[in-house]
Amino acid sequence: DAGVTQSPTHLIKTRGQQVTLRCSPISGHKSVSWYQQVLGQGPQFIFQYYEKEERGRGNFPDRFSARQFPNYSSELNVNALLLGDSALYLCASSQWDIPGYGYTFGSGTRLTVV
Amino acid sequence: GENVEQHPSTLSVQEGDSAVIKCTYSDSASNYFPWYKQELGKRPQLIIDIRSNVGEKKDQRIAVTLNKTAKHFSLHITETQPEDSAVYFCAAIGAGSYQLTFGKGTKLSVIP
Repeated sequence: DAGVTQSPTHLIKTRGQQVTLRCSPISGHKSVSWYQQVLGQGPQFIFQYYEKEERGRGNFPDRFSARQFPNYSSELNVNALLLGDSALYLCASSQWDIPGYGYTFGSGTRLTVV
Repeated sequence: GENVEQHPSTLSVQEGDSAVIKCTYSDSASNYFPWYKQELGKRPQLIIDIRSNVGEKKDQRIAVTLNKTAKHFSLHITETQPEDSAVYFCAAIGAGSYQLTFGKGTKLSVIP
């Protein structure tokens, strides 16, 4: 079984640009969450989706948006990039609609904003 | 919202010794506490978790204890091995939230 796959693995963008990150959950997993991990810190919650519905949103500006598709894959969009958006963006999937339970993380997308 | 504090930030132990990492949380209604291991450049991996209706859980060399009254939980690793070297994160889910709140991590180094 494939794990949680994220693309791209690395990305360099310029301030003010827009970026789209993609996540494919483990087969059968209907829950997808997005986290931002700044170097040296723990992951911070951005969004959670279950069955294509937004279940929760973290303390991030409206420049961050996400959606989940009928096949349960997900995209995270960030507009008007700032230097401070440079981080590892992690996607986690779970088969449970139980907050935080049974997460499997992907290897992440390393975003660098210059 | 939930706040999770984790200590120590770095920990060095001799191979074979035990390691203990402690976390405190702020929301007394939090009910789920997972621990993740993240090796350098890799994804966080769930190593053990505990629910609020249980005081202790063990899985081979790893154990987690939960004190709901004091609002703290701890990770215990016995007979440490070099491959245990990694950053360990504790986390908690606040009541009615879908947000898993992480601590800032503990870098564990096991010295052969």
